[in-house]
Order: sequence, then C-alpha cells, then structure tokens
Amino acid sequence: QVQLVQSGAEVKKPGASVKVSCKASGYTFTSYYMHWVRQAPGQGLEWMGIINPSGGSTSYAQKFQGRVTMTRDTSTSTVYMELSSLRSEDTAVYYCAREEQQKGVEGIYYYYYGMDVWGQGTTVTVSS
Amino acid sequence: SSELTQDPAVSVALGQTVRITCQGDSLRSYYASWYQQKPGQAPVLVIYGKNNRPSGIPDRFSGSSSGNTASLTITGAQAEDEADYYCNSRDSSGNHLRVFGGGTKLTVL
Repeated sequence: QVQLVQSGAEVKKPGASVKVSCKASGYTFTSYYMHWVRQAPGQGLEWMGIINPSGGSTSYAQKFQGRVTMTRDTSTSTVYMELSSLRSEDTAVYYCAREEQQKGVEGIYYYYYGMDVWGQGTTVTVSS
Repeated sequence: SSELTQDPAVSVALGQTVRITCQGDSLRSYYASWYQQKPGQAPVLVIYGKNNRPSGIPDRFSGSSSGNTASLTITGAQAEDEADYYCNSRDSSGNHLRVFGGGTKLTVL
C-alpha cells in the first residue's frame, strides 16, 4: 500500500540543525511531488516547501528561505528536510505529503490534485 | 500572515448543512484543496479541484468557488465531521508555492 514513513522524534538545542526523512513506498517515487508542512502546538498548518523527486528541483516558502533544504535519494525513495538555525518557534510536528505532478484545468481555473497521502509526522522540539 | 483567510470557528447542528469558506486573491484562478484534521492525526484530503473527492471521502462533502472565495460544504453533518478544516492553494508570490488558510474549527452540536 502507498505510505510515507517519517523518521522519529528529535530534540535539538537552539542554533542546531535537524534533518527529517520521509521514505515513500507503494508508488512510483519520481511521479509525485513531495511537500513539507509543519504544525506548531495548537496552531494551524504551515506550508514549508516542495521538492520534485524526479529532478530534485525545490521551491521554498519565503519564510524559510536560507534555512531549509529539501533533498531526495531516488535509490531509497526517500526525501529529506533539513532546517537550520533552530529556535524555539520551530518546535512543531513536521509532515511530508505527496501530490500528483500535474495541474488540472477546468474552464478559467487551474487546480492541483491535492496532498493525498501524508506521513505520520515527526515531532521536533527545540529547547535549551 | 496567511494569504488565505478562513473563519476561526463554525458550528452546525447534527444533520444540518454547513459551509466553510476560504478567501484569497489566488482563488480567482486556482481552485482550493481542502483538508480535514482531527486531534493528534495527520490531515486528510477531502476535496480538490472544482469538486473532486478522493476515494473514501463521503459524498456529503462538496466544494465550490466564486470570485475570490472557495467553499467546503458538508450536507448532513455527522458527529465524526467535527474537526479542523484547512484550505490550500497557490501562493500568489510564485509558481509551485502554496499556502494554507488559518483553519476553521468545526463543532457539530
């Protein structure tokens, strides 16, 4: 079955970096984008960025530019999200989620196919 | 601050119809996708495109869009629909960029 399995919880000190992995199985890894989304305690979902596993191209939310790096390893069907210069506000659950690599058109509207499979989430705690 | 705006909370009586809205400039040219999230769980995609439901999503969930507003409608709300709902669409600042709305807490009375 299609699944995304993320690495385990992390505890980091302020200023450190964290690298979270997301291993895909049950589908063609290079046919789907992978998003990273985080959720701070009691807060909403926050989109961080996207990677195309096929060529490795990335796009990041402006808020994370310069601090986040998303990479992939096609040999193991795994994507990685590394966040540096951690601060307490980065304490959150981090999710990976896949999305079909196409854009639909209907009338005057475009649409994405949505993040249809999510990882279980990885809790990252930043504390001194 | 989010470029997609949602009401923080909405309530509905059991079995009644509720509409959850999402406003933003990008919605004039991109349909939103909608996610349901229950406490302690990962989000679940419930609507994408004009009005498409992934396999397993009940047909009481539907989507629509007009101008800069996207809507998720639940017709005949059930107790299990009580959850947080988030819209997502293109961030107007660049291709491939996305943004979530702030979320709407749905209470089923």
